[in-house]
Amino acid sequence: DIQMTQSPSSLSASVGDRVTISCRASESIAAYLNWYQKKPGKAPKLLIYAASSLQSGVPSRFSGSGSGTDFTLTISSLQPEDFATYYCQQSYSTLRTFGQGTKLEIK
Amino acid sequence: QVQLVESGGGVVQPGRSLRLSCAGSGFTFSSYAMHWVRQAPGKGLEWVAVISYDGGHKYYADSVKGRISISRDNSNNTLFLQMNSLRAEDTAVYYCARERRELLPHDAFDVWGQGTMVTVSS
Repeated sequence: DIQMTQSPSSLSASVGDRVTISCRASESIAAYLNWYQKKPGKAPKLLIYAASSLQSGVPSRFSGSGSGTDFTLTISSLQPEDFATYYCQQSYSTLRTFGQGTKLEIK
Repeated sequence: QVQLVESGGGVVQPGRSLRLSCAGSGFTFSSYAMHWVRQAPGKGLEWVAVISYDGGHKYYADSVKGRISISRDNSNNTLFLQMNSLRAEDTAVYYCARERRELLPHDAFDVWGQGTMVTVSS
């Protein structure tokens, strides 16, 4: 199975900060990389698909980049509603896998 | 509107069985691959299983293979997850999710249900 590793596991930041989360795949997954936001008690929400495409309705402060094995999610200016846990997921393999998550907390 | 609604969760003893359902509405259910994803308390998201749009192809995570079966009834727009020989480590919120594009694989999950809690405990 393809292993996905996110860094950091947790991150403290302030409203207005620029934040970057990294995700590394154990083998090349081309651009088959997706990002989700998860808040407690809520379903996950798709933010970015195919590494860099913004899902409809998602604010433009979210962006994604990368290909092959290394990917990043960037939030250009943190808003209060952005404090959540973020997961990367590969869709290259039929057996999908998620990263372990990055918890974004208020500083 | 496009919606997925899970049901069937509850408290079950170890070794027993449970079947989860996921009802789709607002879209052509029979055109989309469907997945189950779970999240154990305090843990991350774990992909569980996928079924192709027509039910002809099914794949499972190693952690559940042999104990869990995914199926669908396209005439009733419903996805199922049959869970047998349940273990404490199967305790989780179970989500159904739709693959983003019709008839095309290897995509993200753009629609999710609200989740149903399964607790395996004696």
